[in-house]
Amino acid sequence: AQTVTQSQPEMSVQEAETVTLSCTYDTSENNYYLFWYKQPPSRQMILVIRQEAYKQQNATENRFSVNFQKAAKSFSLKISDSQLGDTAMYFCAFSEGTYKYIFGTGTRLKVLA
Amino acid sequence: GAVVSQHPSWVICKSGTSVKIECRSLDFQATTMFWYRQFPKQSLMLMATSNEGSKATYEQGVEKDKFLINHASLTLSTLTVTSAHPEDSSFYICSARATNRSPDSGNTIYFGEGSWLTVV
Repeated sequence: AQTVTQSQPEMSVQEAETVTLSCTYDTSENNYYLFWYKQPPSRQMILVIRQEAYKQQNATENRFSVNFQKAAKSFSLKISDSQLGDTAMYFCAFSEGTYKYIFGTGTRLKVLA
Repeated sequence: GAVVSQHPSWVICKSGTSVKIECRSLDFQATTMFWYRQFPKQSLMLMATSNEGSKATYEQGVEKDKFLINHASLTLSTLTVTSAHPEDSSFYICSARATNRSPDSGNTIYFGEGSWLTVV
């Protein structure tokens, strides 16, 4: 069975600094998708970034980028120039193609002014 | 685009009663929807996969007779918590897979705003 592990329950970063959130996963599949979702206090799940496993190039979305290491089954999220609005819970998620998502336990990120 | 709406956002019900939560895809068709449950400060746990026109597929450990799922149209899935008890109090989130959006959005699903259920 697939699992997703986020080993950092809480993190904090100074505004304008860079922070990296870790995620590892376990699967025997070769084709799959990985996601980072942001959940602010409103609880709305917001897609931050998506990575297809067959793509070697790391995905980027403005200030957000990932370091996808397929062999190591690692999928970390880097947030550059952190902003106060980035304060939220961040979930790493895995999907093998059935659209069923498996979520990690989350990392609570606090951006400090 | 790809808006998913849940209703109600908040609901309080008495123990022993049933409550229905709706999940609608507003601007796309969704043959498949998913229901998640999230306890405070915890992750999202998949409860069931809702397929339009057929029975839902429940995850292990989820009581299908307690959490009734109906997906009667391409834009609406409902979750009914029957004979609710205080331990059913939680945040319930639905998501939908868009089946008529082009190009395919890379296994992306779209989440509703969630519904808080409190059973007293």
